[in-house]
Amino acid sequence: QKEVEQNSGPLSVPEGAIASLNCTYSDRGSQSFFWYRQYSGKSPELIMFIYSNGDKEDGRFTAQLNKASQYVSLLIRDSQPSDSATYLCAPSGGGSQGNLIFGKGTKLSVKP
Amino acid sequence: ETGVTQTPRHLVMGMTNKKSLKCEQHLGHNAMYWYKQSAKKPLELMFVYNFKEQTENNSVPSRFSPECPNSSHLFLHLHTLQPEDSALYLCASSRDKGRANYGYTFGSGTRLTVV
Repeated sequence: QKEVEQNSGPLSVPEGAIASLNCTYSDRGSQSFFWYRQYSGKSPELIMFIYSNGDKEDGRFTAQLNKASQYVSLLIRDSQPSDSATYLCAPSGGGSQGNLIFGKGTKLSVKP
Repeated sequence: ETGVTQTPRHLVMGMTNKKSLKCEQHLGHNAMYWYKQSAKKPLELMFVYNFKEQTENNSVPSRFSPECPNSSHLFLHLHTLQPEDSALYLCASSRDKGRANYGYTFGSGTRLTVV
């Protein structure tokens, strides 16, 4: 059973702080890793993806990947109340299927 | 708009009704997906279509019947549903199955309530 584990939260951070969201996955064949943001009552929206070990930065977001540890994280710098949402980690499944496997998500709350 | 349109946005149906959910994508993608999202559960993959051929059925009950007439349209036909089927049903598309390198684009979803 391929699994994706995320701390469900809620993770509460003050405005302007760094929010750190973590994810571990069981499928060593996963090649691509995606972070989705889902506001309450809305559909998931792709915000970051990473393929290689190390860090990838895009604006206030940094994705970090360590395939040896089967760990991927998302850092949000200068957190804003508008970042309050559930963040879904989604590695692609290994092998020819390649389907995205979603975690339950971490609920982030940024307090003004 | 994401380029993936789902209708209706909300649906209330009785257990004996028959209804259909519709999904249309304008992104030129070749793979389409149905996901179910229930409270406190991860997104559950239901069906996968690639170039309008079904490639996966994740042990979904037969009361859910997908249809993909072409690469741009996907339907989910519903009949004799149970209250536990109440959930948010999400359609997604990608360039093609197995090439998840670009991720999926989701529609806005259909909030289904079975009474």
